[in-house]
Amino acid sequence: AQTVTQSQPEMSVQEAETVTLSCTYDTSESDYYLFWYKQPPSRQMILVIRQEAYKQQNATENRFSVNFQKAAKSFSLKISDSQLGDAAMYFCAYRDQGAQKLVFGQGTRLTINP
Amino acid sequence: GAVVSQHPSWVICKSGTSVKIECRSLDFQATTMFWYRQFPKQSLMLMATSNEGSKATYEQGVEKDKFLINHASLTLSTLTVTSAHPEDSSFYICSATGGSNYGYTFGSGTRLTVV
Repeated sequence: AQTVTQSQPEMSVQEAETVTLSCTYDTSESDYYLFWYKQPPSRQMILVIRQEAYKQQNATENRFSVNFQKAAKSFSLKISDSQLGDAAMYFCAYRDQGAQKLVFGQGTRLTINP
Repeated sequence: GAVVSQHPSWVICKSGTSVKIECRSLDFQATTMFWYRQFPKQSLMLMATSNEGSKATYEQGVEKDKFLINHASLTLSTLTVTSAHPEDSSFYICSATGGSNYGYTFGSGTRLTVV
């Protein structure tokens, strides 16, 4: 079964600085999708960014970008110019191309220091 | 964008009673819905996957007789916690495929407290 591992339970960063959240996964599939979700204190899950495994180019969404290393099965999230509103739990998630359900990592709690 | 409405947002019930949580896709047809449980400071644990018009598929270890899932239409799925006990207290989240957000839209969650 596929697994997703986030080895950083908590991270903190100064406002306006850059922070990178780590995620590794285990799969024998070649086609799959990877996601980063944000869960703020409201607990509403919000999609931050997604990556298709067949794409070599790293996905980018404004201040959020990923470093997708397929061979290493690594999918880190970089947040640039951190803002107070970025404070949240961040979950890495995986989905087989042919499957429906998401497999979530344990989450990383990100704190932004003003 | 795609919106999933989940109600109630919080509920308190007495031990032994049943409580129903609704999940509605407001502007798209949700062929598949997912129900998660989340304990404090932990990740989302998938409980079951439901496809419209068919029986739900439960994850290993989830009691299907306790957590009844119905997905009778393309816009509504319900989770009923039967004979609730304090250990069922948790945060429950639904998610639906379809619409935007690359296929997954989450409800805002339901905090269940059983006293």
